[in-house]
Amino acid sequence: NAGVTQTPKFRVLKTGQSMTLLCAQDMNHEYMYWYRQDPGMGLRLIHYSVGEGTTAKGEVPDGYNVSRLKKQNFLLGLESAAPSQTSVYFCASREFYEQYFGPGTRLTVT
Amino acid sequence: DQQVKQNSPSLSVQEGRISILNCDYTNSMFDYFLWYKKYPAEGPTFLISISSIKDKNEDGRFTVFLNKSAKHLSLHIVPSQPGDSAVYFCAADSGGGADGLTFGKGTHLIIQP
Repeated sequence: NAGVTQTPKFRVLKTGQSMTLLCAQDMNHEYMYWYRQDPGMGLRLIHYSVGEGTTAKGEVPDGYNVSRLKKQNFLLGLESAAPSQTSVYFCASREFYEQYFGPGTRLTVT
Repeated sequence: DQQVKQNSPSLSVQEGRISILNCDYTNSMFDYFLWYKKYPAEGPTFLISISSIKDKNEDGRFTVFLNKSAKHLSLHIVPSQPGDSAVYFCAADSGGGADGLTFGKGTHLIIQP
């Protein structure tokens, strides 16, 4: 039982490049989330999903897209990376009120 | 506008003493509160939670107190241990909250030997 896993762990992008962050969970949870954490800030919600095939915007969705084609996977895409998207990205899945987080992806956009 | 506030960016406590971390919120719709602990280069891990219908929840060395009238909650760690050194996030949820948690900015707790 791996819980929530994230791929990759680290990535450096140039401005304008695109990439996809993968989140996978093996707990059969319906709800999944993408957050970003910046220095001195709490975690801010980017997008979330309440089930396979559904997505919704969170607090800071601009510049990101998501897809939930399979229940266990939640993908976060950056179509044209900007330096302001330099951050640590956390994925989470939820059971009742408790959210279980992955280890994070550290993304740097130069 | 920050709905969950942790006004102390850092807190230093001697090993064996009590650590008290504070959190204030502004949204009256929040009905469930959680504390997460985060070590460097790891994801947050759930620590303890409390429903708005309670005023106290205890789990081993960790106790969370909720004062609804003051919109304030606190996390008490007794006794504090070196492994407790981490960043602690207060988070709030509303209405069965499919739409994610609202986090405070975190408090970095440092346990001094």
